[in-house]
Amino acid sequence: DQQVKQNSPSLSVQEGRISILNCDYTNSMFDYFLWYKKYPAEGPTFLISISSIKDKNEDGRFTVFLNKSAKHLSLHIVPSQPGDSAVYFCAAISSGSARQLTFGSGTQLTVLP
Amino acid sequence: EPEVTQTPSHQVTQMGQEVILRCVPISNHLYFYWYRQILGQKVEFLVSFYNNEISEKSEIFDDQFSVERPDGSNFTLKIRSTKLEDSAMYFCASSGNRGTDSFFGQGTRLTVV
Repeated sequence: DQQVKQNSPSLSVQEGRISILNCDYTNSMFDYFLWYKKYPAEGPTFLISISSIKDKNEDGRFTVFLNKSAKHLSLHIVPSQPGDSAVYFCAAISSGSARQLTFGSGTQLTVLP
Repeated sequence: EPEVTQTPSHQVTQMGQEVILRCVPISNHLYFYWYRQILGQKVEFLVSFYNNEISEKSEIFDDQFSVERPDGSNFTLKIRSTKLEDSAMYFCASSGNRGTDSFFGQGTRLTVV
């Protein structure tokens, strides 16, 4: 039961260009979305989040867009840097739950110098 | 910056043995979680803990698992009789705002042999 899907297992981008990571969800009860970055042998690190009442949230080089009608969100990183190379996870929280995260399968981003 | 800390970083145990994974959440947080990631798979929710009791648990969290907050600072996950399929990275997370600010520890790699 894949309630949160990241259909691209990997993405390569040139340094300085934009990275766009995509995420789709199926559960209409999700009301909050988060992006995490993860290096091997480390825990997920919070990047940016968005409430379902918004359609955009920006924090420095990171912007998250939410399209509720399409049940789709995306993370834009611009400009991309080699240090951004990591696995990026999309996660969602359902209203009315204990507020645990449901994760996507992740996208490996490689930023080429 | 406050952080979630987990010990040990790596635990090797024989099948059938009990293990206890330890976590120190961020001090003013009230919501605590355990997740796990089997190699090559998604990060999966195990259990959430609030107000000294389990608030929600997944199907994975069967009778072999238990959680405790014994002293107001530590948060532990016990697996009573480990199985080979329990081998995974186990992540502790804590949140001060009902999940929307979930911070993760660096994980404990559990290897059952």
